[in-house]
Amino acid sequence: AQKVTQAQTEISVVEKEDVTLDCVYETRDTTYYLFWYKQPPSGELVFLIRRNSFDEQNEISGRYSWNFQKSTSSFNFTITASQVVDSAVYFCAQNNYGQNFVFGPGTRLSVLP
Amino acid sequence: DTEVTQTPKHLVMGMTNKKSLKCEQHMGHRAMYWYKQKAKKPPELMFVYSYEKLSINESVPSRFSPECPNSSLLNLHLHALQPEDSALYLCASSLSRSSGRSNEQFFGPGTRLTVL
Repeated sequence: AQKVTQAQTEISVVEKEDVTLDCVYETRDTTYYLFWYKQPPSGELVFLIRRNSFDEQNEISGRYSWNFQKSTSSFNFTITASQVVDSAVYFCAQNNYGQNFVFGPGTRLSVLP
Repeated sequence: DTEVTQTPKHLVMGMTNKKSLKCEQHMGHRAMYWYKQKAKKPPELMFVYSYEKLSINESVPSRFSPECPNSSLLNLHLHALQPEDSALYLCASSLSRSSGRSNEQFFGPGTRLTVL
């Protein structure tokens, strides 16, 4: 069975601090996909990144970076030099080929000025 | 155009009303989804349409009735709802359900539904 765990329910940081959001997944399939979404107060889920199980390269996009480690079944997300606009709920999600998304419970990030 | 639109943004309805939520995408996606999201919870899948056919109904009560008139439109018809159905209803689309190359889902802004 698939499962996604985000152990951090809420995180508060001060602007310009770096912050890492943890995501641990469980699946028996060898082909699977991992995602991060951002949900600001407006409600829309914004797609941030997709990773497939065969690509363990870390990725950097501006202030965002992702660390995918199959050995620990983790797909962590780091925001460098956080900004107030980063305040949102962040969801990690996983799906297997052709299957439904399984979302983690989400981490609420508050960036204080 | 990488946008999924949803109308209305807010909806208040009584338990005896009939209303509809609408969702539209023009990205050529062939899979569309309805999710329900309660406060402080992740989205819960309700329905999946693949190539305009209902492929998944996650045991949703019959007072929710989905419809896919064409590949760009998705409706959710509401009738005789209960107060516990109050939630954010999100529509999403993806290239297809089975494509491994690009199966990320793109979400609309949602309809915030209140049932009195």
